[in-house]
Amino acid sequence: DAGVIQSPRHEVTEMGQEVTLRCKPISGHNSLFWYRQTMMRGLELLIYFNNNVPIDDSGMPEDRFSAKMPNASFSTLKIQPSEPRDSAVYFCATGTDSYEQYFGPGTRLTVT
Amino acid sequence: GENVEQHPSTLSVQEGDSAVIKCTYSDSASNYFPWYKQELGKRPQLIIDIRSNVGEKKDQRIAVTLNKTAKHFSLHITETQPEDSAVYFCAAVDYNQGGKLIFGQGTELSVKP
Repeated sequence: DAGVIQSPRHEVTEMGQEVTLRCKPISGHNSLFWYRQTMMRGLELLIYFNNNVPIDDSGMPEDRFSAKMPNASFSTLKIQPSEPRDSAVYFCATGTDSYEQYFGPGTRLTVT
Repeated sequence: GENVEQHPSTLSVQEGDSAVIKCTYSDSASNYFPWYKQELGKRPQLIIDIRSNVGEKKDQRIAVTLNKTAKHFSLHITETQPEDSAVYFCAAVDYNQGGKLIFGQGTELSVKP
């Protein structure tokens, strides 16, 4: 298994632009989590899905952030419009009902 | 909801010494406690976990202990090596919030050769 796949690995964009981050979970995993990591705030859970259904989006910072999981093998996290303070590493993690979570390689986002 | 406190925030040891990182949790219903290792610029990686039906689990040089009564769990690394240098995160499952992991703040471990 290739593990959790994220794309792009690096993204540099200008303030105001739309950013879309993508995640492909490990086959058979039914939970998917989006995290954001910064030096100041550490590892923050933004939203998570179980069986493609959003369960908890209380960590989504504001309406500029949205996430979808149209099927069991794909999820997106979108920021529109992006701001410099959104610069961070965004991780996708997936897991099963046994609670183990496996992280993808992350997307390093820089908004200038 | 669940709250996880992790100590120390930084830890420096000499190669070959042991390192211990401690975490406390607040929700007595939590029953799954993983530990993640994150090297600089890399993803967090699950290195060991423990469930509430056991008190200790060991995997080569790393071990985790759990005290359900006191609501704390610890990571023990023996015979530390420079490649153990990383940030370590503990976590606990919050049943009140749908079973999501609640992470500690992280411990930066430095192993000096």
